[in-house]
Amino acid sequence: ELKVEQNPLFLSMQEGKNYTIYCNYSTTSDRLYWYRQDPGKSLESLFVLLSNGAVKQEGRLMASLDTKARLSTLHITAAVHDLSATYFCAVESNFGNEKLTFGTGTRLTIIP
Amino acid sequence: NAGVTQTPKFQVLKTGQSMTLQCAQDMNHEYMSWYRQDPGMGLRLIHYSVGAGITDQGEVPNGYNVSRSTTEDFPLRLLSAAPSQTSVYFCASSYSDSEETQYFGPGTRLLVL
Repeated sequence: ELKVEQNPLFLSMQEGKNYTIYCNYSTTSDRLYWYRQDPGKSLESLFVLLSNGAVKQEGRLMASLDTKARLSTLHITAAVHDLSATYFCAVESNFGNEKLTFGTGTRLTIIP
Repeated sequence: NAGVTQTPKFQVLKTGQSMTLQCAQDMNHEYMSWYRQDPGMGLRLIHYSVGAGITDQGEVPNGYNVSRSTTEDFPLRLLSAAPSQTSVYFCASSYSDSEETQYFGPGTRLLVL
């Protein structure tokens, strides 16, 4: 059974600081997704990581994937208040049909 | 494109009542799925479909039925609602076996009393 763990679950950080959210998963996979969710809203796709060593960046967010370590990171650079949200990683099993297993999410709060 | 649409946005049911949550997409996606989101538990897959006429169970299928008669629609049925089914339900769609993300609908908030 595929398990996906995120840490930390809660993160409060000051504007301008850097931080990293970690996503570990338990079985082989080479597809990992990051989503953002604002309170009361749906999920917005941030990144799709499809291979070992993949790195993608959008603004102050950068995601990477290490399939050998079964680890993905979401790095936040010089945080701003607008990045406050809950971030989810989701992993697709190699042998599934687009079936995603989600982490429990990281609730990020950026303090001015 | 409207993307993925869900109705209703909010519903209150009494225990034992039945209802259908509607999901539709206009992107000609083969793959559609239903998730439920509970506090502190992320999203969990209920049922999914890889094309019209094909459905399968996800992680938490008990108490829910689905069907896929067309590519566009993927309704989720609660035959006899229970308080444990109080949750936020999201429908998602994507191309099968693709490198693209799944697109999520706006969600349906369900309260079972």
